Amino acid sequence: ETGVTQTPRHLVMGMTNKKSLKCEQHLGHNAMYWYKQSAKKPLELMFVYSLEERVENNSVPSRFSPECPNSSHLFLHLHTLQPEDSALYLCASSQAGGDIQYFGAGTRLSVL
Amino acid sequence: ILNVEQSPQSLHVQEGDSTNFTCSFPSSNFYALHWYRWETAKSPEALFVMTLNGDEKKKGRISATLNTKEGYSYLYIKGSQPEDSATYLCASAGGTSYGKLTFGQGTILTVHP
Repeated sequence: ETGVTQTPRHLVMGMTNKKSLKCEQHLGHNAMYWYKQSAKKPLELMFVYSLEERVENNSVPSRFSPECPNSSHLFLHLHTLQPEDSALYLCASSQAGGDIQYFGAGTRLSVL
Repeated sequence: ILNVEQSPQSLHVQEGDSTNFTCSFPSSNFYALHWYRWETAKSPEALFVMTLNGDEKKKGRISATLNTKEGYSYLYIKGSQPEDSATYLCASAGGTSYGKLTFGQGTILTVHP
């Protein structure tokens, strides 16, 4: 148990669906991250929130929309995804400043 | 080096063997180098964060070294055990204050009993 919880663990959605991934951290951290891991590729940073402000958007398509309502919660809203968006989506948190990141177990997303 | 590169991609060793793998990263704008251990179906777990050239860190049978001038880090495992089987990831944080990490592809270690 890392203190970072992601739900759901698995998600199957059609290309016209709208769904959201949720991440919650109980570590008192003030930075949260979304990563994507596609098959055979390194973990790829998508978004960074520091003190609830988005500080990094790593050229992610607008069909992925993050939301950080407070320092403990992070969402990734998904709409009109493509099959190539099927991947493992990981959330992480840390103290701002480049400290160790604590990861959730991820959401395995399949887009049909 | 523009990206973070790890070698080898995979490694099979016998229980009791010692092993090591390499992480290469851009040496310009260096801020920190992270090592994570990722077991199947679990969360990646931090092993080390290193910032200073010449840093050496140790955690049990696992240790790591850092050379920021030439842009590489080594991870060593002494007396490998089957429970060490995992993917070992390194990531470079380049000159930012909010932890933007660039990950390598990982080294998959399998330790055979």
